[in-house]
Amino acid sequence: EPEVTQTPSHQVTQMGQEVILRCVPISNHLYFYWYRQILGQKVEFLVSFYNNEISEKSEIFDDQFSVERPDGSNFTLKIRSTKLEDSAMYFCASSNQQGNTGELFFGEGSRLTVL
Amino acid sequence: GNSVTQMEGPVTLSEEAFLTINCTYTATGYPSLFWYVQYPGEGLQLLLKATKADDKGSNKGFEATYRKETTSFHLEKGSVQVSDSAVYFCALTLGYSTLTFGKGTMLLVSP
Repeated sequence: EPEVTQTPSHQVTQMGQEVILRCVPISNHLYFYWYRQILGQKVEFLVSFYNNEISEKSEIFDDQFSVERPDGSNFTLKIRSTKLEDSAMYFCASSNQQGNTGELFFGEGSRLTVL
Repeated sequence: GNSVTQMEGPVTLSEEAFLTINCTYTATGYPSLFWYVQYPGEGLQLLLKATKADDKGSNKGFEATYRKETTSFHLEKGSVQVSDSAVYFCALTLGYSTLTFGKGTMLLVSP
């Protein structure tokens, strides 16, 4: 069964360092998403991506964040200069439909710990 | 804005017990409602959904009914199994908006 895969499963980094989280969405999906969950808090939307551009982003997704689909298969989230409050579980998701008609398929998550 | 509120966990039950996980929502229109489940070591996966008032979503013995009058979408199962131990997320979406999730509720089922 097709699935979304994410790497790394856990990354520990120093504050101020750049981090890239990688995702391989399901191959025929067109819509891609990043969500995050800070420990004990809600799963929060970060950004959605369609047709090689950002289609929607939340206020969390500031200039420190960027997304890219560099090679038609990977979908990456970059944090340029990590802060302590970026520590969270980051979930990638993909879908073949937009909005309430489509199911999102999620990866297992990448846990980021910023020290 | 749109939001989802779930009951705090963990919910601890014995096998074959009845399960209810409460979920209420706030939305500016008529959302679609979802329950996602995350089993240990896996990603979130769709458990069930309902797209309009009074619809009942069901899957794997779980059910939830879209109640517009109480803005609720409570998850129920008549007899839980150890394999149901997971984190359950209530979520909504409006039109083409992205999913808005609750905090998640951990369910622990013991033999």
